[in-house]
Amino acid sequence: DVKVTQSSRYLVKRTGEKVFLECVQDMDHENMFWYRQDPGLGLRLIYFSYDVKMKEKGDIPEGYSVSREKKERFSLILESASTNQTSMYLCASSFGQGPYNEQFFGPGTRLTVL
Amino acid sequence: AQKVTQAQTEISVVEKEDVTLDCVYETRDTTYYLFWYKQPPSGELVFLIRRNSFDEQNEISGRYSWNFQKSTSSFNFTITASQVVDSAVYFCALSEALTGNQFYFGTGTSLTVIP
Repeated sequence: DVKVTQSSRYLVKRTGEKVFLECVQDMDHENMFWYRQDPGLGLRLIYFSYDVKMKEKGDIPEGYSVSREKKERFSLILESASTNQTSMYLCASSFGQGPYNEQFFGPGTRLTVL
Repeated sequence: AQKVTQAQTEISVVEKEDVTLDCVYETRDTTYYLFWYKQPPSGELVFLIRRNSFDEQNEISGRYSWNFQKSTSSFNFTITASQVVDSAVYFCALSEALTGNQFYFGTGTSLTVIP
């Protein structure tokens, strides 16, 4: 079974802190994604990556950056956390190229910024 | 513009009732795929089904069925004889050949099945 794990289920940080959210997948997937989920807004794509060291902006990249140094790991970085970044963050991965392949999701990290 | 619309924000049904979750999509691509995911209270999205734009056959899997109609750009999901374990948020998603691996998710429908 594909497994996508995220470093924390719950995280509380203070405004201005640098925050790292880690995601690891164990199925050698090329593609990895970071979404945030907010009530009434569904899932919105922040960043995605098709390969090691490659990244593409999604719909809402402002205030975020990412890092993919190894194929299995995709990190989301909040350089200076703000209260409007309080949200549920979901990581996903998928195999290959093209629109066919489903994405596999991690359990999510609920981040609260105080 | 929203590519995937799930107009039903919240639905409540009594156990054993049938319920249909609506999904309307918008795309100019001729090759695309539609997906349904379930997000139970635990939070992890679970893949349910994929449909491609060239296959309009309806699909049935146990109590779940899906109705894909290109004429109305809809991909609706029906749960027959609902159970409490069906309580979850359900997301419809679209991916297009032109944009590769990127998914466009709807805003989700929260289903509550009352015992």
